[in-house]
Amino acid sequence: AQSVTQLGSHVSVSEGALVLLRCNYSSSVPPYLFWYVQYPNQGLQLLLKYTSAATLVKGINGFEAEFKKSETSFHLTKPSAHMSDAAEYFCAVSESGSNYKLTFGKGTLLTVNP
Amino acid sequence: KAGVTQTPRYLIKTRGQQVTLSCSPISGHRSVSWYQQTPGQGLQFLFEYFSETQRNKGNFPGRFSGRQFSNSRSEMNVSTLELGDSALYLCASSFSGTMNTEAFFGQGTRLTVV
Repeated sequence: AQSVTQLGSHVSVSEGALVLLRCNYSSSVPPYLFWYVQYPNQGLQLLLKYTSAATLVKGINGFEAEFKKSETSFHLTKPSAHMSDAAEYFCAVSESGSNYKLTFGKGTLLTVNP
Repeated sequence: KAGVTQTPRYLIKTRGQQVTLSCSPISGHRSVSWYQQTPGQGLQFLFEYFSETQRNKGNFPGRFSGRQFSNSRSEMNVSTLELGDSALYLCASSFSGTMNTEAFFGQGTRLTVV
């Protein structure tokens, strides 16, 4: 069965600092991995996805994530945080062959301090 | 083009009642998925429909049901509401529901059961 663990339910950074949000997955088959962002009272927006092509995936708003099979990780990073990055971030996994069922982590709330 | 539209945005119901939520996918999208989001359980998969057929179902009681119409619009129904059904219900649409296609989420319906 697939599962996702996001380490740290709340991460706080200063504006301009590195953002690192951690995600580890468990999957019995090569997975598809996703990062979504959710702003207050909004739905989810896709930041980036890994679908077995390049292991370093670039997404929107300057975010990127690296797939590391040996560590079963897919951590999200951004070199310099902006105030507008404050939101909740969700890592999700979908196993190949699944009929588009996403399994989400519990989420990480990112706070950006001025 | 228009995004995923969920109606209503907010809903207050009494225990024991039933409720129907609606989701209009992006034009041309044939896959619609539903998710329940609560502070305690996070985002959980309810079901996925493609061309009026339910292809996958999450681990929810039979009180939760859904359907999809020929125009790809989808509804989900919850009967005999319980306090624990209070949640944000999110709908996502995609072109085919396969892992390579992006899912676009609506803003959700906030259901409060009193």
